Formats: sequence, structure tokens, C-alpha cells
Amino acid sequence: GAVVSQHPSRVICKSGTSVKIECRSLDFQATTMFWYRQFPKQSLMLMATSNEGSKATYEQGVEKDKFLINHASLTLSTLTVTSAHPEDSSFYICSARDFLASTNEKLFFGSGTQLSVL
Amino acid sequence: KNQVEQSPQSLIILEGKNCTLQCNYTVSPFSNLRWYKQDTGRGPVSLTIMTFSENTKSNGRYTATLDADTKQSSLHITASQLSDSASYICVVKVGSGGGADGLTFGKGTHLIIQP
Repeated sequence: GAVVSQHPSRVICKSGTSVKIECRSLDFQATTMFWYRQFPKQSLMLMATSNEGSKATYEQGVEKDKFLINHASLTLSTLTVTSAHPEDSSFYICSARDFLASTNEKLFFGSGTQLSVL
Repeated sequence: KNQVEQSPQSLIILEGKNCTLQCNYTVSPFSNLRWYKQDTGRGPVSLTIMTFSENTKSNGRYTATLDADTKQSSLHITASQLSDSASYICVVKVGSGGGADGLTFGKGTHLIIQP
């Protein structure tokens, strides 16, 4: 099946620093990827839609200057949390659609990144 | 407002036993319903996906049911194994509206299998 790789799996940083998270579609091209955040025992919340070659579309309440998204190629999207603060600590997950997947399920998730801001 | 409610919030059962997780949704228009398994600190992995016309779908020891009239779904796990310990998330795809990904996520049921 389609594989979405997310890196790093875990990152600890000091308050005020920026952190970059990568999401790669390993065996398919993804013109659209999605970024979510998840707090403990809560559902995944969509943050933004990453569009290859154009600006990301952010959900209401998500600061685009805080969470920078770049989708420079058909297989890579990055999420940069700028000037991270402790309240940004969360589990971040990406997903991508493989429209050519042989399975009924076309949406595949990355393995997630646990961000801890000290 | 599109919503997906899951119950119970958490569940502990002994290894080898069966269990059933519930999902109620108020999503319209309905496109499909998915069940995902999410291990702690990992991304969700698809178990089943059902459209409006499908009542049941199995994936190994996992069997999902869908009643589109009552807007309810269940996930039945047979002969549970320790590796089944995870969160199980019910996700409904909206035909239009919703998030850009068209998905409404439940909060999940946290299942613990004890030896």
C-alpha cells in the first residue's frame, strides 16, 4: 500500500525556536497533503491543506504565520512551527491521497511527530 | 454541525475476549465511514471503509457494521490480542462541506487488552 513517511518522529526544543516537520509520499505523487494536530485523548484537528506549487489553505483559527507550510514538490510537504511555545506542544500528523491506490482507502497518514516545547 | 460521537471513551478487556465499539454520527451529506486504528504515538491506519450501501465489512478479526438509517456504526473485535491495544477512531467523510479533507473525526475509543 501507499506509504507516507513523516520525520522526525519526536522533537524537543526550547521555547522561541523553530521546528520543521517533513511529510513525504514515498511511492506516489501527492498534489495535496493535509496537516493535523492532536492533543491527548482528542480527535485529529485539521490545520491546513498543503497544495503543491501554491499557497496552503488554513482552517479557521490556525495562524498561517505561525505554522508555515511549503509543498515544493509532488512528494514533499513541510510544516514549520515558528517561534514555538509550550502551548504548541502536540502530536502533528500529515496525510496524503493516493488516487491510484488499488484499495478503497485512498488517504494515508504519516506516523506523526510528537513536539515538546520546553 | 457535523459530529462523530464514539463510545465508550475507554475500554479494558482480557486477552481473547470480544468487544464492540460504537460510533454515532450526525454528518450530512454522508459519503463514507471509516474505522482507523491508532497506536500510541503513531499515525492512524485504515481498518475498514464503508459506503452508504454497505452494511458490513470485515478485515481479519475486525468487523465493522453500518446502519445508515440510524447513523450508527460499530466495530467488533474478535478474539482480542495484546497488539489490539490502541485507539480506534471513527471517521465520516462528508459529501460536501466539512474540512478541506472532507473528514469529521471522532475522539476515539481507547482500548486496552490485558493478559
